[in-house]
Amino acid sequence: EIVLTQSPTTMAASPGEKVTITCRASSSVSYMHWFQQKSGTSPKPWIYDTSKLASGVPDRFSGSGSGTSYSLTISSMEAEDAATYYCLQRSSYPFTFGSGTKLEIK
Amino acid sequence: EVQLVETGGGLVQPGKSLKLTCATSGFTFSNAWMHWVRQSPEKQLEWVAQIKAKSNNYATYYAESVKGRFTISRDDSKSSVYLQMNSLKEEDTAIYYCTWPGFAYWGQGTLVTVSS
Repeated sequence: EIVLTQSPTTMAASPGEKVTITCRASSSVSYMHWFQQKSGTSPKPWIYDTSKLASGVPDRFSGSGSGTSYSLTISSMEAEDAATYYCLQRSSYPFTFGSGTKLEIK
Repeated sequence: EVQLVETGGGLVQPGKSLKLTCATSGFTFSNAWMHWVRQSPEKQLEWVAQIKAKSNNYATYYAESVKGRFTISRDDSKSSVYLQMNSLKEEDTAIYYCTWPGFAYWGQGTLVTVSS
């Protein structure tokens, strides 16, 4: 099983600040996928195939990485970006999720 | 419009069974590879199971934590996917979501609570 380790677990950012969330895989994966979840709602696809933005995702978000190291970046934090972000690998069974990064606005 | 609606959750005692249903609409279900994903009270997401289409011989895959206890199935005539959960444990307590395709669409989830 591929274990995904996200960091940080929680963080707070000020409006306009650059934010980076990382996801490290215990073995190499072909792509990484990211989800955003706000309280009381289902996860939403946010970034797929490492760097492609899902429909409706602002272009201040970006994704990058390869092999065992991937990241989600927000170029300029906005209040609406406060949420929990999860990474997912579906390169091999069983598919696995990271434990999540809770991002808060300062 | 794609819709996924999960039902069947509830409170159940350890060792008992429960069957979840995900009714879908808005896409060609017979070609769809469907998944169940759950989210624990601690908010950890866990992939549970996948079922592929008829053209893939309805192949199924499971997380180790549920293998041998849970069974995923589908009824293409009803555009529905199911999760039969047997020998339930307290650690199976979670919100259960069905998703498609490749986790692009999610239902609202159904809560399963396993407790005596």
